Amino acid sequence: KAGVTQTPRYLIKTRGQQVTLSCSPISGHRSVSWYQQTPGQGLQFLFEYFSETQRNKGNFPGRFSGRQFSNSRSEMNVSTLELGDSALYLCASSVLRGDEQYFGPGTRLTVT
Amino acid sequence: EDQVTQSPEALRLQEGESSSLNCSYTVSGLRGLFWYRQDPGKGPEFLFTLYSAGEEKEKERLKATLTKKESFLHITAPKPEDSATYLCAVRTSMGDYKLSFGAGTTVTVRA
Repeated sequence: KAGVTQTPRYLIKTRGQQVTLSCSPISGHRSVSWYQQTPGQGLQFLFEYFSETQRNKGNFPGRFSGRQFSNSRSEMNVSTLELGDSALYLCASSVLRGDEQYFGPGTRLTVT
Repeated sequence: EDQVTQSPEALRLQEGESSSLNCSYTVSGLRGLFWYRQDPGKGPEFLFTLYSAGEEKEKERLKATLTKKESFLHITAPKPEDSATYLCAVRTSMGDYKLSFGAGTTVTVRA
């Protein structure tokens, strides 16, 4: 069974630009969550989607947004990039809300 | 706010030297404690879920236990391939299914 896939794996952007990251969950998984991982803050919850609806949101500015499609695939978008947005962005999927989450390999975003 | 604290931050072991990692939590309404393993440059790999005090789960050389205030991950006779960062996370009734992670314990096992 294929795991969670994330594209692209690496990305370099300039301050002020925007970026879109993609996540394909494990087949049959309907819940997708996004996390930001940095050396200083560790893993922090961004948001969760289930049935194409955002169900929960972490403490991040409105520049961070996302969506989920009918096939459960999800995208997250960061607008007006700042240097502090450099991080590993992780997507995790689960069959239903509350089940154990399985993580993808992440997208390494570098903002210069 | 939910608090998850892991100790120690780093642990260096000789191959075969058993040890334990600690995850203490201060939360309202625990709805699950999760252990993950993360290798450098990769996403976390799911290991265990524990739901109630007294519960134990085992997988190869790893054993996770849960009390009302903390969880332990015991590594028995570790091998170099057990070297990784081990993360614990909690889900609470107030957190609406999100996971709150600790900072992790980085384990290095020397041959």
